[in-house]
Amino acid sequence: DADVTQTPRNRITKTGKRIMLECSQTKGHDRMYWYRQDPGLGLRLIYYSFDVKDINKGEISDGYSVSRQAQAKFSLSLESAIPNQTALYFCATGGTGLSTGELFFGEGSRLTVL
Amino acid sequence: AQKITQTQPGMFVQEKEAVTLDCTYDTSDPSYGLFWYKQPSSGEMIFLIYQGSYDQQNATEGRYSLNFQKARKSANLVISASQLGDSAMYFCAMREEGSNYKLTFGKGTLLTVNP
Repeated sequence: DADVTQTPRNRITKTGKRIMLECSQTKGHDRMYWYRQDPGLGLRLIYYSFDVKDINKGEISDGYSVSRQAQAKFSLSLESAIPNQTALYFCATGGTGLSTGELFFGEGSRLTVL
Repeated sequence: AQKITQTQPGMFVQEKEAVTLDCTYDTSDPSYGLFWYKQPSSGEMIFLIYQGSYDQQNATEGRYSLNFQKARKSANLVISASQLGDSAMYFCAMREEGSNYKLTFGKGTLLTVNP
């Protein structure tokens, strides 16, 4: 099983619908992140969390919300999806004990908003 | 200003040859880390190599090496003896001290290895 699991892997929805992307990890990491990838733009940070009581906005948080239900679970919600939120979404984790600070990524959730 | 710049949208290399993927960065923090990730067509993000700002030697991991030129603020990835499986998107990323361990990514370079 993957260390960082994202569900769903693919989702097609309509404008105005509420969508939740879920992420769970078995690495025991404190830090969790949601990134969005668009062609030609790289990965951009949406939200990140250091523990269940710590939620921080990234560079493109508008239109998104998150919930850290437990150390191992971090969900991303689109309250009212719009077409320009069509993208590949990645959850990532990192441990504060890691000297290098690399992140470990899930396999991605491809979201299409019609 | 962009913190990470990858100026090569696409690169081509012949199998078994070496290739260099460029990355320049912008930071005023004295302590930072530089990363390279590989994204094959299947979509997952694979960590390749890390270079710390205080590291005296260039990082190496198998066929991957990082050509770190601190004064020029560049952190180019060198892949030796390219293989067909190296065809992928490659992202350079940076973590700055005090950034809460956030990684900032460049826009990526699509590498194609030709047989």
